[in-house]
Amino acid sequence: DVKVTQSSRYLVKRTGEKVFLECVQDMDHENMFWYRQDPGLGLRLIYFSYDVKMKEKGDIPEGYSVSREKKERFSLILESASTNQTSMYLCASMTGGYNEQFFGPGTRLTVL
Amino acid sequence: GEDVEQSLFLSVREGDSSVINCTYTDSSSTYLYWYKQEPGAGLQLLTYIFSNMDMKQDQRLTVLLNKKDKHLSLRIADTQTGDSAIYFCAERNSGGYQKVTFGTGTKLQVIP
Repeated sequence: DVKVTQSSRYLVKRTGEKVFLECVQDMDHENMFWYRQDPGLGLRLIYFSYDVKMKEKGDIPEGYSVSREKKERFSLILESASTNQTSMYLCASMTGGYNEQFFGPGTRLTVL
Repeated sequence: GEDVEQSLFLSVREGDSSVINCTYTDSSSTYLYWYKQEPGAGLQLLTYIFSNMDMKQDQRLTVLLNKKDKHLSLRIADTQTGDSAIYFCAERNSGGYQKVTFGTGTKLQVIP
């Protein structure tokens, strides 16, 4: 049974803190993604990675960075958290072929 | 850039058919998808269609694709209360990186 896990379901941080969100997949997928989900805006792509140590900016990369040191792990970093980064963060990994994405359960981040 | 649009909300009675609509702008889309998100969970792939097809049926689900109008729909026959969820349309373009663009999501409410 394929699995994508995220380090926390709920997280509360203060403005200016550095925040790490971790995602691990056990499917040996090359492609991994970080999205944020906001009501009425759907899923917006922050960053994606198509191989170890490789990364590409998505549609809204500002204020975020990522790290992919191992194939199974993709980390999202908020260098200095701000209140407008309060959101649901979803990680996904993707198959080849028809490119199905497998999602983690999400991390609901609140920045006070 | 790519854009995928959906209405935000749909309400149907149990036993009726639901039709969720989506429009997209990228004429080079290769695959189009429908994902389902249940409360408190990540997204899960329901079905997908390749861009050279115009219809796909899978049990209670029927996907229709009109490439000329860039319109995708998902019909759920005999809608059940367990179908209550947010449904996301998504498209994968033919670009080099395997990026998928998601719509805003349609919240389906099934009334018993």
